[in-house]
Amino acid sequence: GAVVSQHPSWVICKSGTSVKIECRSLDFQATTMFWYRQFPKQSLMLMATSNEGSKATYEQGVEKDKFLINHASLTLSTLTVTSAHPEDSSFYICSASQEGPQHFGDGTRLSIL
Amino acid sequence: QQQVKQSPQSLIVQKGGISIINCAYENTAFDYFPWYQQFPGKGPALLIAIRPDVSEKKEGRFTISFNKSAKQFSLHIMDSQPGDSATYFCAASIIQGAQKLVFGQGTRLTINP
Repeated sequence: GAVVSQHPSWVICKSGTSVKIECRSLDFQATTMFWYRQFPKQSLMLMATSNEGSKATYEQGVEKDKFLINHASLTLSTLTVTSAHPEDSSFYICSASQEGPQHFGDGTRLSIL
Repeated sequence: QQQVKQSPQSLIVQKGGISIINCAYENTAFDYFPWYQQFPGKGPALLIAIRPDVSEKKEGRFTISFNKSAKQFSLHIMDSQPGDSATYFCAASIIQGAQKLVFGQGTRLTINP
């Protein structure tokens, strides 16, 4: 139980394009979803927290207009990296929680050329 | 005050030995302390977690020791196996509310056969 699916697992795109990453809780309803960013050999840094049907809460230093988060249902949240640039290349990981422990997806490797 | 400090940064243990990773926190409001295991290219997976009302929790070969007065907790992996080679993260959160996790810096564990 408590499976979180993230798609795509790897994406390569040109600078200036927008990229959408999906995060789904497959066997439970996620009241809260979290988005993290992880650089190589570093820890996870929380970007934002989202609750179904409400606006995401962004951590200090994270650009809201750059990283658009939508949590339209209790099983789906999306992160859109708008006008992506090479410095946005990273490993993006989502997690989902149903009033308990966070369960993580397998991440999305984003490479911007 | 929101930081969780983790050590060592890397650790090499012989097969069959005991692996020990330590974490320290400052925020006394934290009351949930999980450990995550992460393999390359994957998301973190919850290994074991503890609340501050107990000093030790054991699940199979994994044990968390918790010292509330010192604000420290540690992960012990008994009879370490090559398959345990991964990056381990400690974390802390306040169980009420959004369960926002604060992660340690991570420990890269290598078990030599």
